[in-house]
Amino acid sequence: AQKVTQAQTEISVVEKEDVTLDCVYETRDTTYYLFWYKQPPSGELVFLIRRNSFDEQNEISGRYSWNFQKSTSSFNFTITASQVVDSAVYFCALSGEETSGSRLTFGEGTQLTVNP
Amino acid sequence: NAGVTQTPKFRVLKTGQSMTLLCAQDMNHEYMYWYRQDPGMGLRLIHYSVGEGTTAKGEVPDGYNVSRLKKQNFLLGLESAAPSQTSVYFCASKSVGVTQYFGPGTRLTVL
Repeated sequence: AQKVTQAQTEISVVEKEDVTLDCVYETRDTTYYLFWYKQPPSGELVFLIRRNSFDEQNEISGRYSWNFQKSTSSFNFTITASQVVDSAVYFCALSGEETSGSRLTFGEGTQLTVNP
Repeated sequence: NAGVTQTPKFRVLKTGQSMTLLCAQDMNHEYMYWYRQDPGMGLRLIHYSVGEGTTAKGEVPDGYNVSRLKKQNFLLGLESAAPSQTSVYFCASKSVGVTQYFGPGTRLTVL
């Protein structure tokens, strides 16, 4: 069975602070995929990034960066110089291969509040 | 492209009533999914489909049925609604390659 744990239920920071959202996962699959989604107050789910289990390169996209470490089964997400518009719930998710339907297992989410 | 759309956006039911939620996608995606989101629990998979005419159970399928008669549509049915089915329902779809894209959600309240 797959499991995703986001231990931080809520985080509150002041604008321009850096913030890291933690994600730890469990899977028995050799090939798997990790995702981050953002859910702003409007409620939609916005895809941010996908990583496959064979690619441990860290990724940076603007103010966002992701650190994938298989050794610790973690896929952490850092926002640099946070902005009020970053306030949202962030979900980490895990899926196996398409042969198993690519079903997503979500963490419980981290509510990030960025205060001006 | 409209992407993934869901109908209706909001609905209030009484216990025991039935209803169908419609998910439509115009991206020719093979895979479609229904999730529910409850406070503090993230999203959980109800049912999914890997192609037209196929369906399979997810993590929390009890009380729901689904159909995928057309490739672009995935219907979620509640035969006899219960208050425990009060939730926000999200549909998602994807093509080959594993990123799922989500619809805007349907907020369902069962009284």
